[in-house]
Amino acid sequence: EIVLTQSPGTLSLSPGERATLSCRASQSVSSSYLVWYQQKIGQAPRLLIYGASSRATGIPDRFSGSGSGTDFTLTISRLEPEDFAVYYCQQYGMSQHTFGQGTKLEIK
Amino acid sequence: QVQLVESGGGVVQPGRSLRLSCAASGFTFSTYGMHWVRQAPGKGLEWVAVIWYDGSKEYYAYSVEGRFTISRDSSKNTLYLQMNSLRAEDTAVYYCARDVWSSGGYFFDTWGQGTLVTVSS
Repeated sequence: EIVLTQSPGTLSLSPGERATLSCRASQSVSSSYLVWYQQKIGQAPRLLIYGASSRATGIPDRFSGSGSGTDFTLTISRLEPEDFAVYYCQQYGMSQHTFGQGTKLEIK
Repeated sequence: QVQLVESGGGVVQPGRSLRLSCAASGFTFSTYGMHWVRQAPGKGLEWVAVIWYDGSKEYYAYSVEGRFTISRDSSKNTLYLQMNSLRAEDTAVYYCARDVWSSGGYFFDTWGQGTLVTVSS
């Protein structure tokens, strides 16, 4: 089973700043199968990025994804107040899906 | 609009069974693979199971294999999760989610609001 490790666990930033979230896989992941979700308290997860770098419908262009192999990154260029949430990466491989443990993005 | 609504959660004793349902609307249910994903209180997301669009294949997380069964009834546009031999560590909000396979990737584009299962004596 592929393990995804997200860092940092918590990221404290101010609105307007740039956020960089990391997702590292225990073995190589197909970029097609690397996904990012956002989850706010009391809500279901929301699809942000699929295929490592493609934004989902309706996602603002301040969100971008990059990476390949075992290292992937979610970048939020200029934080808006509504971006403070928990972010999860997810991968699919060998008939199993796994999620990272999440990065909490909090207001500094 | 595309919608998934879970039901069937509640409090159940360890070792007992429970069946969750997920009612789908706003899309052609029989053409999408469907999943269950859970989230223990204060914890992260854990994928549970998938069933292919036509019901021909099922896959499970190792933590639930042999105890949980995913199924679907396309005549009722409903997804199910039969959970047997429940344990305290199965306590979680259970979400159903729709998957999309495209040239760009494989992902869950629609989620329900979740239903809480509490396993406790």
